[in-house]
Amino acid sequence: GAGVSQTPSNKVTEKGKYVELRCDPISGHTALYWYRQSLGQGPEFLIYFQGTGAADDSGLPNDRFFAVRPEGSVSTLKIQRTERGDSAVYLCASRPHPGPYIPIYNEQFFGPGTRLTVL
Amino acid sequence: AQSVTQLGSHVSVSEGALVLLRCNYSSSVPPYLFWYVQYPNQGLQLLLKYTSAATLVKGINGFEAEFKKSETSFHLTKPSAHMSDAAEYFCAVSAQGAQKLVFGQGTRLTINP
Repeated sequence: GAGVSQTPSNKVTEKGKYVELRCDPISGHTALYWYRQSLGQGPEFLIYFQGTGAADDSGLPNDRFFAVRPEGSVSTLKIQRTERGDSAVYLCASRPHPGPYIPIYNEQFFGPGTRLTVL
Repeated sequence: AQSVTQLGSHVSVSEGALVLLRCNYSSSVPPYLFWYVQYPNQGLQLLLKYTSAATLVKGINGFEAEFKKSETSFHLTKPSAHMSDAAEYFCAVSAQGAQKLVFGQGTRLTINP
């Protein structure tokens, strides 16, 4: 089946501009995560959605970053007034809701990422 | 809070040699532990996970890892390296019940012919 998809794969923008990054999770996955991976670093957690609501946004670096998931499926990460330091690969992951046949092991399935470059 | 330390940002081994990638974790509660692999320009792929069952965990592509609570370690091994194993490897921890993964800095594995 289809995995997690992210668009665009690459985004180049100028400092101060607004950008939107999109994530399509695996169909039926209720949990969705955003991470940011800077060059030479491991991914860092940004925000987690369970359904439509943000259950944990403790990783968002500041109020320029915002994410939505209005229908509990596709999510958009929005960055206002971009800065050069925002340049990174933004990863999205999804996970099914635990149930009788799905353990709660927190295994997340990752998309290929969006490489954001702020000039 | 959880944290992960991967010892060695770059490991180089010969084809056919043992692969050992080190991971130490810190967690105030029993953890879930994961190893992910990332090939160039691709997303993260799960290699294996520890979920408080067997301490020796076998994953895909011949990799395995052993959870050692006394050493707070979860090192990744493979008996015989293959050229296709060249990639970036990330160790990650999650507290049971928590949702986010906390990743280490990553280890780049190079295989020499």
